[in-house]
Amino acid sequence: GESVGLHLPTLSVQEGDNSIINCAYSNSASDYFIWYKQESGKGPQFIIDIRSNMDKRQGQRVTVLLNKTVKHLSLQIAATQPGDSAVYFCAESPYLSSNTGKLIFGQGTTLQVKP
Amino acid sequence: EAQVTQNPRYLITVTGKKLTVTCSQNMNHEYMSWYRQDPGLGLRQIYYSMNVEVTDKGDVPEGYKVSRKEKRNFPLILESPSPNQTSLYFCASSPSGRVTGEQYFGPGTRLTVT
Repeated sequence: GESVGLHLPTLSVQEGDNSIINCAYSNSASDYFIWYKQESGKGPQFIIDIRSNMDKRQGQRVTVLLNKTVKHLSLQIAATQPGDSAVYFCAESPYLSSNTGKLIFGQGTTLQVKP
Repeated sequence: EAQVTQNPRYLITVTGKKLTVTCSQNMNHEYMSWYRQDPGLGLRQIYYSMNVEVTDKGDVPEGYKVSRKEKRNFPLILESPSPNQTSLYFCASSPSGRVTGEQYFGPGTRLTVT
């Protein structure tokens, strides 16, 4: 039969507003973090990454904030546009401190942009 | 065109019938990885390879095998598929020998095991 998964959190914002998507990571040894965007029917697409020796990193219209004390990561999208509608995943890896190719994804958040 | 290709894109099979999903990249990337995606569970890493002849388990390797005999190819093998392996599978590659955010993902393979 069909499996029942967890319901993804959904964030609904008005076009032009700023969006903040949050992520709690699990592994204290993780020292590298990534945000991905996945549009319907496509594979994930890299947005931005951050290493654990940084608290903040900015890209084009996006900012990632890292709070290692509470193991929390956030993605801020400025002036959200309809094209930003997608599922957003955070991912973590301990690759900086260990020779590993492991990557662990979060559950994902659906961003809906209202015109 | 730089890309990661997967074949087949869609597959319906029966329990126990061995299958292989191929993954190929034309970017001379060192790192390749397989993920499965299930509703509400995000992506989970099955296996990864940091270079030719080097493979290691991800979070959910049970029931899967991989090989990396040449840099461009990283096939995923299901020796005896079961219904709980019904999922959407993604292959990815990145230029570094380690995991990086700038992974290039393939288009996905939707597998149904009945």
